[in-house]
Amino acid sequence: ETGVTQTPRHLVMGMTNKKSLKCEQHLGHNAMYWYKQSAKKPLELMFVYSLEERVENNSVPSRFSPECPNSSHLFLHLHTLQPEDSALYLCASSLGGRGREKLFFGSGTQLSVL
Amino acid sequence: GQQLNQSPQSMFIQEGEDVSMNCTSSSIFNTWLWYKQDPGEGPVLLIALYKAGELTSNGRLTAQFGITRKDSFLNISASIPSDVGIYFCAGSGGGADGLTFGKGTHLIIQP
Repeated sequence: ETGVTQTPRHLVMGMTNKKSLKCEQHLGHNAMYWYKQSAKKPLELMFVYSLEERVENNSVPSRFSPECPNSSHLFLHLHTLQPEDSALYLCASSLGGRGREKLFFGSGTQLSVL
Repeated sequence: GQQLNQSPQSMFIQEGEDVSMNCTSSSIFNTWLWYKQDPGEGPVLLIALYKAGELTSNGRLTAQFGITRKDSFLNISASIPSDVGIYFCAGSGGGADGLTFGKGTHLIIQP
């Protein structure tokens, strides 16, 4: 148990569906992240929120839309996805400052787009 | 962007053997970290290194921050079945780019 909870664990969706991934952290951290993990590729940083403000967006397609209503919750809204978006989506949190490299990950949502 | 070369890609070893893996970068990093990912779970931080030449242990795991600041090594002594998983290195230059991850080393322990 890392203190970061992601739901759902598995998600299958069609290309015309709209769904949302949820992440909640109980560690008192002030930064939250979305990463994409595809087979045989390094973890790809998608979005970073620090103190609820988005500070990084690595040229992610607009079909992915993040939301961070407070420092403990993070969402990733999905719509009109493509099959190549199938991957494991990981949420992480960290402290700010020197501790920001120490990421605590959730178990991920395994997404399959049909 | 920055890239990390992590090797080997996979390792097949016998229980009780020692394991070594490494990461190299074309860029200088200020921080190196090693994570382990078990099947069906997210990565978990094993060791964080903050100073060139630093050698840090966590149980049977030992990691080193290379003196050139462009590489790092992870050793596992006397491997046991629960060591199976994917080990990732990650580096940070301290800027806004955050962490750069390697592709991982898949450790498999043969009975």
